[in-house]
Amino acid sequence: QLVLTQSPSASASLGASVKLTCTLSSGHNNYAIAWHQQQPEKGPRYLMKVNSDGSHSKGDGIPDRFSGSSSGAERYLTISSLQSEDEADYYCQTWGGTGMVFGGGTKLTVL
Amino acid sequence: EVQLVESGGGLVKPGGSLRLSCAASGFTFSTYSMNWVRQAPGKGLEWVSSISSSSSYIYYADSVKGRFTMSRDNAKNSLYLQMNSLRAEDTAVYYCARGVNDFWSGPLDYWGQGTLVTVSS
Repeated sequence: QLVLTQSPSASASLGASVKLTCTLSSGHNNYAIAWHQQQPEKGPRYLMKVNSDGSHSKGDGIPDRFSGSSSGAERYLTISSLQSEDEADYYCQTWGGTGMVFGGGTKLTVL
Repeated sequence: EVQLVESGGGLVKPGGSLRLSCAASGFTFSTYSMNWVRQAPGKGLEWVSSISSSSSYIYYADSVKGRFTMSRDNAKNSLYLQMNSLRAEDTAVYYCARGVNDFWSGPLDYWGQGTLVTVSS
């Protein structure tokens, strides 16, 4: 069964970097995922697609501060030079078989 | 500029029906897959349904299969979700989202602002 696992929360200081993790379920190491950001009271916003080889392609207008990478079953979103507006929920998404799956989301707090 | 505007949400009693619409603009609607994703109050995102560009492929989450029907009208640049036999657990903000290609699967690269559906007596 295709499942994405995310830590419920993360925090980092203003101006620092943070790495969020999305873990694919066993047997799905080669799946690509997408990262989405949801700021409070807003609809989600597409950030990027991250492939199993670590390559990534970002959505329109996504700053260079956002980058993606991979290792095994883990897919990462790194945000550098954290800004207050980066405080948001971050979701990973993947697809396979006859459906799509979202991770439970990580709430990022910027201290 | 890509725009997706949902409408049709509201308060409905359990067992009732509702039809959501999504008006698309700023891109060639007929060449992209489309999706519905929902978010219950205080909860995470849940995929509901996907449709390929020509409606050849339509898939549903198990939680809505047999009750919801997704469709599109490429001539009207519009996406629809017919929701029947609604339950309290269907209460959520429903988002319309574009897929990155014409097939049903892949990243969702543009999202609407959502429309709230409340199922309550």
